[in-house]
Amino acid sequence: DADVTQTPRNRITKTGKRIMLECSQTKGHDRMYWYRQDPGLGLRLIYYSFDVKDINKGEISDGYSVSRQAQAKFSLSLESAIPNQTALYFCATSEGLPPRETQYFGPGTRLLVL
Amino acid sequence: DAKTTQPPSMDCAEGRAANLPCNHSTISGNEYVYWYRQIHSQGPQYIIHGLKNNETNEMASLIITEDRKSSTLILPHATLRDTAVYYCIVRVVFQTGANNLFFGTGTRLTVIP
Repeated sequence: DADVTQTPRNRITKTGKRIMLECSQTKGHDRMYWYRQDPGLGLRLIYYSFDVKDINKGEISDGYSVSRQAQAKFSLSLESAIPNQTALYFCATSEGLPPRETQYFGPGTRLLVL
Repeated sequence: DAKTTQPPSMDCAEGRAANLPCNHSTISGNEYVYWYRQIHSQGPQYIIHGLKNNETNEMASLIITEDRKSSTLILPHATLRDTAVYYCIVRVVFQTGANNLFFGTGTRLTVIP
């Protein structure tokens, strides 16, 4: 969905490096999310934000931090990358109130930590 | 959230209807059934969701059994671009804590020319 974009699409980094993954959306949604996907597993929630002033930890927030710079932008940082953070990372936005909430995903960022 | 069971793979001839089943026997009364699909390494794409009534949109139809223990996603005229992994998910109202959208392993649908 071109309304949710992620940069970079692919990234190779070394252990110990700090990196940032960026997400932008033009859907006008308040809610944004960061997930990671590992082979054979479902998507796991890292952080989520209900609006610019709201940041919440997900299931696997250790080793990650986020910044919600504006309604349209939600960045994920790996403070000191480690190899087990190698994964496919997805940003998502959502509309509607639960339980009718529907999520829209970006194209993903494939991260390799050496 | 309730667990779901889906066949690991299915084939469908191009132009025919694709019927993808999902069992969710432990679903509770406040859980909705969602369907997403993921084309290779792309972000998951929302397809449709429902509570207990059958639903239809421009992409698909969702048939939920009366006891809500199973459902079927129907792609009425499958095309090659529908080749993807299809995920059936049941979920409750968004919680204030962690809220995984657990996709499980899904059904890999291959549309054959």
